Amino acid sequence: SQQGEEDPQALSIQEGENATMNCSYKTSINNLQWYRQNSGRGLVHLILIRSNEREKHSGRLRVTLDTSKKSSSLLITASRAADTASYFCATDAHQGAQKLVFGQGTRLTINP
Amino acid sequence: NAGVTQTPKFRVLKTGQSMTLLCAQDMNHEYMYWYRQDPGMGLRLIHYSVGEGTTAKGEVPDGYNVSRLKKQNFLLGLESAAPSQTSVYFCASSYWGEQFFGPGTRLTVL
Repeated sequence: SQQGEEDPQALSIQEGENATMNCSYKTSINNLQWYRQNSGRGLVHLILIRSNEREKHSGRLRVTLDTSKKSSSLLITASRAADTASYFCATDAHQGAQKLVFGQGTRLTINP
Repeated sequence: NAGVTQTPKFRVLKTGQSMTLLCAQDMNHEYMYWYRQDPGMGLRLIHYSVGEGTTAKGEVPDGYNVSRLKKQNFLLGLESAAPSQTSVYFCASSYWGEQFFGPGTRLTVL
């Protein structure tokens, strides 16, 4: 079963605009991670936020986590054509083995 | 450093054939994972390993076997391939938190 549910499933915006993707999950977590996947490639780690953190920044990325609502959001500011990719949230609810459970992803398209 | 590598990149099998996918990492990570990704889906965990000589089942282990004889290698085997195993297979490794992914193996079972 997939823990994370991303919303929207697809998002198309103009270059320069901000893109926001949401992720909801079902059980308590140790941390939540966001990954990017370019077409036909492996996943690349973007950011990790721990369960005791509420917000984290990395360059143009801003991630929030609300454990009371079991939800997270990924904001990409000033989008670029190179940001076109699928974005996945993944939750880690286990001690030790760091088993991730991935959502189905948001397909982001940046139009020039 | 090469990171995580996977061989082969592509493979076509007939139903009932067997094959082994190889994953290698040069980052000295303890944890290694095998996932499958089906069209429009996220990744689902097949098997994982928390160290040399150990393996454990993930979410979708049926029809697959794994071995971790050396710390840097994690093998995924299909003993009798079925069309339902047509997918893209990703290997990953980690020390803590962030997982590093290989480029994937696209497998088609006819």
